Amino acid sequence: SQKIEQNSEALNIQEGKTATLTCNYTNYSPAYLQWYRQDPGRGPVFLLLIRENEKEKRKERLKVTFDTTLKQSLFHITASQPADSATYLCALTSGSSNTGKLIFGQGTTLQVKP
Amino acid sequence: DTGVSQDPRHKITKRGQNVTFRCDPISEHNRLYWYRQTLGQGPEFLTYFQNEAQLEKSRLLSDRFSAERPKGSFSTLEIQRTEQGDSAMYLCASSFGQGPYGYTFGSGTRLTVV
Repeated sequence: SQKIEQNSEALNIQEGKTATLTCNYTNYSPAYLQWYRQDPGRGPVFLLLIRENEKEKRKERLKVTFDTTLKQSLFHITASQPADSATYLCALTSGSSNTGKLIFGQGTTLQVKP
Repeated sequence: DTGVSQDPRHKITKRGQNVTFRCDPISEHNRLYWYRQTLGQGPEFLTYFQNEAQLEKSRLLSDRFSAERPKGSFSTLEIQRTEQGDSAMYLCASSFGQGPYGYTFGSGTRLTVV
């Protein structure tokens, strides 16, 4: 069956360190993968998109990698700040989809301590 | 437009009642999606509109659920004969064109069925 898995345990790190979140998937051939941030009681906010033929994408303190052989994406936040504390969702679109619908993982909660 | 608007933000209803939610997407976005999210889970796809045409519905969308997008503008999601299992956050998202772009989500409607 198709699965997208993110670490369900919260990630606690110290301010200034690099946070690394993992997204693994099985039985998908995603055309692209996206990362979103979600704060409590709010809708997800788009952060980054990476295509299947891209290895890495950066935006300010954020970096995403995409390994289609390992079926894994890593999401890094460098020089983390307490304001980065939130739930981070990965989502992918199947290569066979023509609707662009996203399939989401369950999210990983990041807590950055000052 | 500054974003995707959803109304109401919160809805408490008695089991068996009908409820309707509204979503106003970003005006130039032709794609509109409805998702449902329960606590601790990622959003689950419900349905997709391209302009006014409803092109995909999830099996999660039982006969009690109906969605419309008249004239390709705002969209409504109606749930008839609500059940306690319908309690969730209902999220609307929009995006533009055919390319892989990130979605813009609304803040959601929190439904509680008592």
